[in-house]
Amino acid sequence: AQSVTQLGSHVSVSEGALVLLRCNYSSSVPPYLFWYVQYPNQGLQLLLKYTSAATLVKGINGFEAEFKKSETSFHLTKPSAHMSDAAEYFCAVSEGGKVGNQFYFGTGTSLTVIP
Amino acid sequence: DSGVTQTPKHLITATGQRVTLRCSPRSGDLSVYWYQQSLDQGLQFLIHYYNGEERAKGNILERFSAQQFPDLHSELNLSSLELGDSALYFCASRGAGTEAFFGQGTRLTVV
Repeated sequence: AQSVTQLGSHVSVSEGALVLLRCNYSSSVPPYLFWYVQYPNQGLQLLLKYTSAATLVKGINGFEAEFKKSETSFHLTKPSAHMSDAAEYFCAVSEGGKVGNQFYFGTGTSLTVIP
Repeated sequence: DSGVTQTPKHLITATGQRVTLRCSPRSGDLSVYWYQQSLDQGLQFLIHYYNGEERAKGNILERFSAQQFPDLHSELNLSSLELGDSALYFCASRGAGTEAFFGQGTRLTVV
């Protein structure tokens, strides 16, 4: 069985400060991991993904995430927060990339950026 | 633009009524997933179809049903609607790649 835990349903950072959103996963097989972002009144948009290649993954808008198998973590970071980063962020896990596989989403983290 | 189209964008209906939400996946994507997003419950997985067959069910009420047609579009049917069914309903599609692509959602308001 697979699951995702996002620590912290709400995170606030000052503009220009480091963004760190935490995600831990559980998977009985090598996972594929994803971060999605949702802006108000919009659908979810893929930020980045890990698919068993490089453990440090770079995404759009300056975000990156590191896959750490020993810690079963896939935390999302950005060195300097921008006002436009305010959104809801979802971590997701999938059982490899086989077609027909499930996605399991975390409960989401709402990021507030303080000017 | 994700390539996933959901209609309608907004829907207002009365309690006890039935509605149908439609999802057109990206061209060629065989998997369609449905999710419900509400303020108090977050993003809840409802059901997954793959190439016309139901693949998995999540927290889907018996009043809700879905199907995927031969042209791969999918419909989510919600019946005997209650106030608590008010939410954003998303569909996502997935093809040979690894990630799912989400539509813009249908906002359902039950009054």
